[in-house]
Amino acid sequence: GQNIDQPTEMTATEGAIVQINCTYQTSGFNGLFWYQQHAGEAPTFLSYNVLDGLEEKGRFSSFLSRSKGYSYLLLKELQMKDSASYLCASLDSNYQLIWGAGTKLIIKP
Amino acid sequence: GAVVSQHPSWVICKSGTSVKIECRSLDFQATTMFWYRQFPKQSLMLMATSNEGSKATYEQGVEKDKFLINHASLTLSTLTVTSAHPEDSSFYICSATPGSRETYEQYFGPGTRLTVT
Repeated sequence: GQNIDQPTEMTATEGAIVQINCTYQTSGFNGLFWYQQHAGEAPTFLSYNVLDGLEEKGRFSSFLSRSKGYSYLLLKELQMKDSASYLCASLDSNYQLIWGAGTKLIIKP
Repeated sequence: GAVVSQHPSWVICKSGTSVKIECRSLDFQATTMFWYRQFPKQSLMLMATSNEGSKATYEQGVEKDKFLINHASLTLSTLTVTSAHPEDSSFYICSATPGSRETYEQYFGPGTRLTVT
């Protein structure tokens, strides 16, 4: 079956670093997406990884290991506005996104 | 670039009536559009996938006669909730993708909050 696992909720402190993990098992693999979703709003694209390694984009970085079926999203210099849900999604062999349940990130001052 | 709009942003309707939600890709041609539903504090749930000019593919458990999807052009898809009931109250989100091999990123609309009274 197809399965995406990520923690339900995480808490971090403003200015700190947090890593949100995601493991996936999908029929075929064509890449791994991370999206950010604020409460009551639609998701917004953060990153896409299809090759192993780390992709850095400002305060956000995303890592992929295809052999391990594992990805993480790294958020640095956390700001209060980073409080949101972070969705991991795997693109399967049919180029369809399989979504994780999302990780709610709570930032405390 | 890659902007997707949805209309209306929110709608309140009476039980038994039908509601149409529009999804438009404003600056690109969307070969594929997706319709999602999201209940409070839950993840996105894919309802159906539609390709321009063909019938939508519905996910298991989604009633195709209740949720009518029309993808009439490369920039417009509509979702009609027929004979709406209070349990249909939810946040409906569409997304669109150019569908080229270079990118399968889905661009999301802002969502439509439906309340059925």
